[in-house]
Amino acid sequence: EAAVTQSPRSKVAVTGGKVTLSCHQTNNHDYMYWYRQDTGHGLRLIHYSYVADSTEKGDIPDGYKASRPSQENFSLILELASLSQTAVYFCASSPDWGNTGQLYFGEGSKLTVL
Amino acid sequence: QQKVQQSPESLIVPEGGMASLNCTSSDRNVDYFWWYRQHSGKSPKMLMSIFSNGEKEEGRFTVHLNKASLHTSLHIRDSQPSDSALYLCAASMQDYAQGLTFGLGTRVSVFP
Repeated sequence: EAAVTQSPRSKVAVTGGKVTLSCHQTNNHDYMYWYRQDTGHGLRLIHYSYVADSTEKGDIPDGYKASRPSQENFSLILELASLSQTAVYFCASSPDWGNTGQLYFGEGSKLTVL
Repeated sequence: QQKVQQSPESLIVPEGGMASLNCTSSDRNVDYFWWYRQHSGKSPKMLMSIFSNGEKEEGRFTVHLNKASLHTSLHIRDSQPSDSALYLCAASMQDYAQGLTFGLGTRVSVFP
């Protein structure tokens, strides 16, 4: 089965601090995504990538940067963390275009900003 | 406004009963629909996908799709306590690389 691992699984950060969430996949998938999940908002796409060294903005990219240094690794960076970024973040990979390939999610990273 | 709307928000079903969940998109660019299931504290996992008009059955789960109305429904028969979860409907738009757009979900609780 597809394997997507995220780290850290849980983090407490201070307002204004920098946070990096990492994602590693061993599926040889080209497509990788970062979503956040909040009560009342569901899962929303932050950034995605379909090739190493290139990232694209999703629906809610403000306050976030992404980095894809290799096919296997995809990071989400919060340069100045804010209270509103408290959420659970999910990384996902897909073997194909998003419409025909299913998403394989990591276990999630719970971020609390104080 | 959510591009993918799900109803009801929550559903309580007796064990052995039928659960029926609905999902509609307001975006005419939607091409395909998926259903994901997310147990509490876990990540979403794909349950079923449907791309063409009609019905698709896999075990206790049946999905219907009407592309003209952009409406899909998921039916769970002989519901089990292990079916208690958040059910997420997702759709892909014509910009295929952008992954999926998710609805807010329907929380299903199956009681013994």
